[in-house]
Amino acid sequence: EAQVTQNPRYLITVTGKKLTVTCSQNMNHEYMSWYRQDPGLGLRQIYYSMNVEVTDKGDVPEGYKVSRKEKRNFPLILESPSPNQTSLYFCASRLTASSYGYTFGSGTRLTVV
Amino acid sequence: KQEVTQIPAALSVPEGENLVLNCSFTDSAIYNLQWFRQDPGKGLTSLLLIQSSQREQTSGRLNASLDKSSGRSTLYIAASQPGDSATYLCAERLDRPGTASKLTFGTGTRLQVTL
Repeated sequence: EAQVTQNPRYLITVTGKKLTVTCSQNMNHEYMSWYRQDPGLGLRQIYYSMNVEVTDKGDVPEGYKVSRKEKRNFPLILESPSPNQTSLYFCASRLTASSYGYTFGSGTRLTVV
Repeated sequence: KQEVTQIPAALSVPEGENLVLNCSFTDSAIYNLQWFRQDPGKGLTSLLLIQSSQREQTSGRLNASLDKSSGRSTLYIAASQPGDSATYLCAERLDRPGTASKLTFGTGTRLQVTL
């Protein structure tokens, strides 16, 4: 089944403790992206990647890092999480940057205390 | 800065009613507009995508329209069912250099269809 898989689905952590949210897609998509969703603010793009080893900032990149060493994986790294990063995170992919349809993962609900 | 607005934020209708969800966008240099459905605790499911050259798209009981000149899109749901209860999001993708294929999302309309 074609899908985008995120792990973990739920995570509670403490301020300052580094964490990684993984994202993997099995569709050979070139373009991948991370979004966060907050009440009243909608989904906002954090980082995106046009292809392997090509990443760039979205609208709200502060406090996050990403890497794209392989086409299928696009992990989101929080080096020193803070409570304002408590949010619902989505990974998404599409075939290329110019392709039409997005496939979204099921989301990761992160709570930083 | 582009903005996408969805009104109302929440809507409750009895089963069987036809309904319209609204989406407004400020930047008319649109590449396409997508409508998504989000169920609680789940990811986003793409419902319909309208290219900038199109006026509408239909899938089953769903019909989405696009009016670039007025900066509006609507999602029409015919004969609503309780299973349609979800949050509906619209997202604009611009056709401008430097936007890097990013989607700009509205904040969504939470729909509840009651028995």
